[in-house]
Amino acid sequence: SQTIHQWPATLVQPVGSPLSLECTVEGTSNPNLYWYRQAAGRGLQLLFYSVGIGQISSEVPQNLSASRPQDRQFILSSKKLLLSDSGFYLCACTGLTGAQHFGDGTRLSIL
Amino acid sequence: GEDVEQSLFLSVREGDSSVINCTYTDSSSTYLYWYKQEPGAGLQLLTYIFSNMDMKQDQRLTVLLNKKDKHLSLRIADTQTGDSAIYFCAGSNQAGTALIFGKGTTLSVSS
Repeated sequence: SQTIHQWPATLVQPVGSPLSLECTVEGTSNPNLYWYRQAAGRGLQLLFYSVGIGQISSEVPQNLSASRPQDRQFILSSKKLLLSDSGFYLCACTGLTGAQHFGDGTRLSIL
Repeated sequence: GEDVEQSLFLSVREGDSSVINCTYTDSSSTYLYWYKQEPGAGLQLLTYIFSNMDMKQDQRLTVLLNKKDKHLSLRIADTQTGDSAIYFCAGSNQAGTALIFGKGTTLSVSS
């Protein structure tokens, strides 16, 4: 079964600083990969998904970007963070039956 | 587009049954899913049901699907304090590329 690794687990960054969150997947090949954001007390917002290396689909216009340099690596980035980028960021990959399996998340606080 | 609705809160006493309800708009999803999120953690796939089924039972969990009414429910028998968490229902989008999540139901179990 798949294992999704996310790091760091928590991150505190100043407004205007850059961001790089990494997600790697083990136990599968050519997975669909996803980045979600969960604001405090709210549901999941799909940010990006990728069906293959170099293929990124963006669901909402925003201050963030994503890249997939390798089959099992998905990176979420920003050049200049905004206060509104605070939240809990979750990476997921698709398994059998179409279910998504999630990493443990990165809690991002912007000061 | 696809929309998934859930009630936001449910409070039960330990030992009682909990029933979490979900309605959805798009019936094209092959599977429907229930996820559990404990504080500060990622989402854990609890169970799923194939769209051709009416019911699925897995130990203390029972999933009921009413396709006509587009209604999905999760019943937890003998609810324990460890069941306190946020529960999300989810179904596929029309393209089959991503899951659409409800906003989550916070289950609070008191002893």
